[in-house]
Amino acid sequence: ETGVTQSPTHLIKTRGQQVTLRCSSQSGHNTVSWYQQALGQGPQFIFQYYREEENGRGNFPPRFSGLQFPNYSSELNVNALELDDSALYLCASSLGTFYTGELFFGEGSRLTVL
Amino acid sequence: QQQVKQSPQSLIVQKGGISIINCAYENTAFDYFPWYQQFPGKGPALLIAIRPDVSEKKEGRFTISFNKSAKQFSLHIMDSQPGDSATYFCAASGTSGSRLTFGEGTQLTVNP
Repeated sequence: ETGVTQSPTHLIKTRGQQVTLRCSSQSGHNTVSWYQQALGQGPQFIFQYYREEENGRGNFPPRFSGLQFPNYSSELNVNALELDDSALYLCASSLGTFYTGELFFGEGSRLTVL
Repeated sequence: QQQVKQSPQSLIVQKGGISIINCAYENTAFDYFPWYQQFPGKGPALLIAIRPDVSEKKEGRFTISFNKSAKQFSLHIMDSQPGDSATYFCAASGTSGSRLTFGEGTQLTVNP
């Protein structure tokens, strides 16, 4: 158990809808990152938040947005869902922004877009 | 230049054998190379990691070998066990950034 919890674990949406995924970081961790893992692929970096501000973003369109709250919990929002958004969304927490690779991942939220 | 290429895609090993997974990278700014293990229905978990100032790191049955000039690194699992059956991802990051670039993954099956 990493101490990173995500909700919901599974959800189904239709194309064009919006979705919000939630993450509670491991205690003491002030940085949260979100990754998208398509079936049979490695995780791809979406963005990272540190002290409630986005401080790094991968190659994802603006309809992917996020929030980090003062208690370091986080949300990933995806607007105008597309079929290709179907994936496992992983939240990972870490301590600090100078990256050491020691991410602690949650078990993910599996999103299916129909 | 952000890619990390991993091989093989799948690997079947007998119990007690050696599992070897290879990765190659292009970005010379990468300076941290972790391996993650992922079981079905779980998130990836850090297994072992190396920085390029050493050529090898060993933790129990797991060893990373690193070749800076070739921009390659590999994971060796000695005395492979059925419980090692999982998907393994290599990854890389640079200190100036805060993101991991993952390989495509290797599905390891260890037969009893």
